[in-house]
Amino acid sequence: DTGVSQDPRHKITKRGQNVTFRCDPISEHNRLYWYRQTLGQGPEFLTYFQNEAQLEKSRLLSDRFSAERPKGSFSTLEIQRTEQGDSAMYLCASSLSGQGVLKQYFGPGTRLTVT
Amino acid sequence: AQSVTQLDSQVPVFEEAPVELRCNYSSSVSVYLFWYVQYPNQGLQLLLKYLSGSTLVKGINGFEAEFNKSQTSFHLRKPSVHISDTAEYFCAVSAATGGFKTIFGAGTRLFVKA
Repeated sequence: DTGVSQDPRHKITKRGQNVTFRCDPISEHNRLYWYRQTLGQGPEFLTYFQNEAQLEKSRLLSDRFSAERPKGSFSTLEIQRTEQGDSAMYLCASSLSGQGVLKQYFGPGTRLTVT
Repeated sequence: AQSVTQLDSQVPVFEEAPVELRCNYSSSVSVYLFWYVQYPNQGLQLLLKYLSGSTLVKGINGFEAEFNKSQTSFHLRKPSVHISDTAEYFCAVSAATGGFKTIFGAGTRLFVKA
């Protein structure tokens, strides 16, 4: 159990650029979640996968956001045409489907700064 | 839908003093309740959770929380804090049936002073 890893840990980009983040869950975990955490707030749910299927998307996930988990292992979150309001910490979590939200393991996050 | 309110954004306390971090929730369905801790530059770590049964839940690092259904509260307590407890604490809720997402409060910054 090496934990959930996220890459990169920090990303600075200019407004209008596209960015992509990667999350590697714990190897046997088939559920994967993405959250966004802005300064002074708690994490907000963005989306979740059961294996490769994206089962739920928050209204926070505008058309500029897309998430994939092509082989049911790692996941990517892409933001197109970034805006300053996208600056936040993007957190990934994973769990076993039998445990779901009861035992989510969180990664260290990717901090995005849009200038 | 569920929501969580953490009543204090910051709680300063002296080392070895007791502390209580307050959390209220609202939900039209049965819920699971959680407290997470976030240390600087680290991911969230689960402190404890309430599923059912005994209303007093014990977690890691000497923390405990009490579920009060009538007051819809889930306050976190520790009888004696250490400098190392300085961190951000998040109360969270999830629907007990079919819940796939966790709703977090805005967080309480616990600052332990020497």
